[in-house]
Amino acid sequence: SQKIEQNSEALNIQEGKTATLTCNYTNYSPAYLQWYRQDPGRGPVFLLLIRENEKEKRKERLKVTFDTTLKQSLFHITASQPADSATYLCAPTPNSGYALNFGKGTSLLVTP
Amino acid sequence: EAQVTQNPRYLITVTGKKLTVTCSQNMNHEYMSWYRQDPGLGLRQIYYSMNVEVTDKGDVPEGYKVSRKEKRNFPLILESPSPNQTSLYFCASRSLAGGHEQYFGPGTRLTVT
Repeated sequence: SQKIEQNSEALNIQEGKTATLTCNYTNYSPAYLQWYRQDPGRGPVFLLLIRENEKEKRKERLKVTFDTTLKQSLFHITASQPADSATYLCAPTPNSGYALNFGKGTSLLVTP
Repeated sequence: EAQVTQNPRYLITVTGKKLTVTCSQNMNHEYMSWYRQDPGLGLRQIYYSMNVEVTDKGDVPEGYKVSRKEKRNFPLILESPSPNQTSLYFCASRSLAGGHEQYFGPGTRLTVT
């Protein structure tokens, strides 16, 4: 069966450091992989999408990598800030993009 | 302002009393979807719709109904709610012409006693 795995344990890091979150998937062949941010009690907000033929994508302090051989995406936040504290969800996306499954998310806490 | 709205935002009801959660988007998106989010289980898709009068089951459709009579609206109907449907519900939409990113509503917290 299809499975999306993200670190269930919260990631605690110090302000200014780089946070790295992992998304592993099995029995998927995604054409894209999306990352969303979710604050408590609020709807997820889209951050980045990376295509299967892209190794890396950047947006400001965010960087995403996508390794279709390892079936893994890494999400990096450089120079992290307390405002980056949130839960981050990944979503391997099939080409049709109609049914979308999300990982359970990794909670990030950035302390001053 | 481009947005997805949901109503009500909070609802406490009793077992068996039919309810509808409304969802509306003003972005002319073809695709709309409903999710529920539970601790430890993450975000799970209930139903989705690719356009008017076209709906499909997601991973957890049991106990729910949807309809898509207009492009902007996608109501979620619980004909006979049960306590195991207590959850946080999100509606989302996206354009089928553009990227794959989904725009989520603010959520509806439903408690069924």
